[in-house]
Amino acid sequence: DAGVTQSPTHLIKTRGQQVTLRCSPKSGHDTVSWYQQALGQGPQFIFQYYEEEERQRGNFPDRFSGHQFPNYSSELNVNALLLGDSALYLCASSPDRAADYTFGSGTRLTVV
Amino acid sequence: AQKVTQAQTEISVVEKEDVTLDCVYETRDTTYYLFWYKQPPSGELVFLIRRNSFDEQNEISGRYSWNFQKSTSSFNFTITASQVVDSAVYFCALSERYGGSQGNLIFGKGTKLSVKP
Repeated sequence: DAGVTQSPTHLIKTRGQQVTLRCSPKSGHDTVSWYQQALGQGPQFIFQYYEEEERQRGNFPDRFSGHQFPNYSSELNVNALLLGDSALYLCASSPDRAADYTFGSGTRLTVV
Repeated sequence: AQKVTQAQTEISVVEKEDVTLDCVYETRDTTYYLFWYKQPPSGELVFLIRRNSFDEQNEISGRYSWNFQKSTSSFNFTITASQVVDSAVYFCALSERYGGSQGNLIFGKGTKLSVKP
């Protein structure tokens, strides 16, 4: 049974560019959350998607947007990249209404 | 407001020593979950334990044990007879209800554990 799959593993982008990160949830999970983890910090919640809609959002600017597809997979888009967006981006899936989170291995984004 | 505090930034022990990682949380909710995750250098968050707010029983799993005390809002994690493979960053996290569903995880800043041979 595959867990959460994230792609790509690593990414290098230039300031001002746009990036799309992808996440496939664990089988049986319909809710996807995204977290940003800066170096030396704990993960910070970006947003959560359920039934193809953003259900909850953390304190992140509108440059961060997402999407969830009918098969429950999800994308995180970041526009107008800043150096401070360099971080490990983690995707977590869970069944709705259940505190049962499975994390992917993350995408390490470097903005230069 | 929700908050998780892990006061120990880094801990270094010698193999076979016991070590306790502290976690203090703040929440206004009466229904919540607490978690511990392990993050090895590869980056993936590995789930260790989940405890709901109504279950204050301590738990032991092999060399790992957890002490949940609502009276002090603490959820501490002890590794007995530590091993080099225990070296990682450990995160404590809190999740409250959000509407009729489960809200996001609030993480502490983590404790980096180094176990030396």
